[in-house]
Amino acid sequence: QLQLQESGPGLVKPSETLSLTCTVSGGSISSSSYYWGWIRQPPGKGLEWIGSIYYSGSTYYNPSLKSRVTISVDTSKNQFSLKLSSVTAADTAVYYCARTYISSSPSYYYYYMDVWGKGTTVTVSS
Amino acid sequence: QSVLTQPPSASGTPGQRVTISCSGSNSNIGSKTVNWYQQLPGTAPKLLIYSSNQRPSGVPDRFSGSKSGTSASLAISGLQSEDEADYYCAAWDDSLNGYVFGTGTKVTVL
Repeated sequence: QLQLQESGPGLVKPSETLSLTCTVSGGSISSSSYYWGWIRQPPGKGLEWIGSIYYSGSTYYNPSLKSRVTISVDTSKNQFSLKLSSVTAADTAVYYCARTYISSSPSYYYYYMDVWGKGTTVTVSS
Repeated sequence: QSVLTQPPSASGTPGQRVTISCSGSNSNIGSKTVNWYQQLPGTAPKLLIYSSNQRPSGVPDRFSGSKSGTSASLAISGLQSEDEADYYCAAWDDSLNGYVFGTGTKVTVL
């Protein structure tokens, strides 16, 4: 079955760039109707959507993070990645990658994450 | 600050019915479908309800979702100890042009 696995440094210094990769196994990242996204959860707090990308490169970003976020996709490796620049302690969180189903018509709009990775903890500290 | 508001906590005894509310606006719940996620302690969130009232394969029919106007609800009937978790509503928001999660509700089984 489809599995997602996050990887990357667990510790990032303030003002530097956080970089994470999500590897998709058991399915193709080039599947139609699916975007691939990132969500984070600061310690003891709720979930925050970061953004998502289609295999063609089309992206959606959280407006509050858009100036610092870049999500990219590598279909040859079945991976997608997150870069978050100029990090501060407020970016300390568990970062999840997830498959995102998107479908729309004049009468409905579906957008939801149906398969999640286990998450990876990133701490911003000097 | 989330645009979807949930009560911070809810509780019930085994077998009881628990309902969690999610309040939004016309730009999200009022015009889009709602999703619910369950997050068991120390684990990743899991999709529980999509399209406001649809259950993914494998989700027990004890869980049900509904939507009316700019509010949505998740009901857990026949509450079980394994239902103790955090629950989040979520929806696309046209004004923000982004996906928003609710503030989250911690369900405790007494």
